[in-house]
Amino acid sequence: DAGVTQSPTHLIKTRGQQVTLRCSPKSGHDTVSWYQQALGQGPQFIFQYYEEEERQRGNFPDRFSGHQFPNYSSELNVNALLLGDSALYLCASTRTGNEQYFGPGTRLTVT
Amino acid sequence: QQQVKQSPQSLIVQKGGISIINCAYENTAFDYFPWYQQFPGKGPALLIAIRPDVSEKKEGRFTISFNKSAKQFSLHIMDSQPGDSATYFCAASRYNFNKFYFGSGTKLNVKP
Repeated sequence: DAGVTQSPTHLIKTRGQQVTLRCSPKSGHDTVSWYQQALGQGPQFIFQYYEEEERQRGNFPDRFSGHQFPNYSSELNVNALLLGDSALYLCASTRTGNEQYFGPGTRLTVT
Repeated sequence: QQQVKQSPQSLIVQKGGISIINCAYENTAFDYFPWYQQFPGKGPALLIAIRPDVSEKKEGRFTISFNKSAKQFSLHIMDSQPGDSATYFCAASRYNFNKFYFGSGTKLNVKP
């Protein structure tokens, strides 16, 4: 049984560009959350998707948006990239009410 | 305001020793407290979790102690091994909400 998968593994973008990160949840999971982990810090909650709708959101600007597809996979989009957006972006999935499992992350570098 | 505070920032333990990491939380509505282990270049992996209806939970060498009145919880790693060297994060959430607030992490180094 595959766990949570994310793509790409690494990404380098320039300030002002836009980026899309992808996540496939663990089999049987219907809820996907996205987190940003800056170097040396704990993950910070960006938002969560359930039934293709954004259910909860953390303190991130509207430049961060997402989508969930009918097969429960999800995308994270970041517009107008800033240097401070450089981080490890983690996707986590769960079946509502159960343990949350994280993917390996996408390392985004903004230059 | 940081919802979950974690200490120490780093920890060095001899092989076979006990590693202890502490966390404190603010929001009394939190009712689910997991610990995650993260190796470099990997995502966090769920280690053990506790609900506030019990004061202690043990799984193998890992034990969570929970003090509801003090709003504190801790991870104890017994018989620490070099393979346990990783960064450990505590987290808190309201169960079923899955919006986790993470501590800042503890980098554990177990010396052989």
